[in-house]
Amino acid sequence: GAGVSQSPRYKVAKRGQDVALRCDPISGHVSLFWYQQALGQGPEFLTYFQNEAQLDKSGLPSDRFFAERPEGSVSTLKIQRTQQEDSAVYLCASSNGENQETQYFGPGTRLLVL
Amino acid sequence: AQTVTQSQPEMSVQEAETVTLSCTYDTSESDYYLFWYKQPPSRQMILVIRQEAYKQQNATENRFSVNFQKAAKSFSLKISDSQLGDAAMYFCAYRDYQGAQKLVFGQGTRLTINP
Repeated sequence: GAGVSQSPRYKVAKRGQDVALRCDPISGHVSLFWYQQALGQGPEFLTYFQNEAQLDKSGLPSDRFFAERPEGSVSTLKIQRTQQEDSAVYLCASSNGENQETQYFGPGTRLLVL
Repeated sequence: AQTVTQSQPEMSVQEAETVTLSCTYDTSESDYYLFWYKQPPSRQMILVIRQEAYKQQNATENRFSVNFQKAAKSFSLKISDSQLGDAAMYFCAYRDYQGAQKLVFGQGTRLTINP
């Protein structure tokens, strides 16, 4: 089916604003991951869902970051009171099927906090 | 904690030539997966090749092959007959075989193809 999609593709926020980033995984994929990629760096893990259960949130940098996947499909990453250091590309990935170890990535959301 | 290191921030190669990108990693696990991902300027991460640590045979995918040295914890990517479309950031990544599902990425290598 279609690949992983993310929206919006670009988001500009004023410092202190709340933002919500959406991820639509590949249909039927059980696992969903969020990563943060700073400019010129490799992605860093934020959090992981298996269906609706958030099994690992060890990478969330602060309590301003919150993720949910209430029905085990679409996921939302919310950042409250955004700070300039939150500026990055946020990548979503999903996995399932025969090759469960392979994660398929979306195009990312580029967040710029002014 | 597992770490992945890519010591070459940038590499360049002439079109049709061969280039090798280096990656080393650190883990105390015996079973794991290793990956090379490609990220073109459009930013969508694409899987290039995957290696299971329990397999001694090096993985190959068309023009792409790996040199997996488990004892040395080394996982290099060889691109043969380089094409202009191979220009991208290349990331090496690690994942535990069981337990933590997350990918641990290296810092990336920017590959330029010279026509």
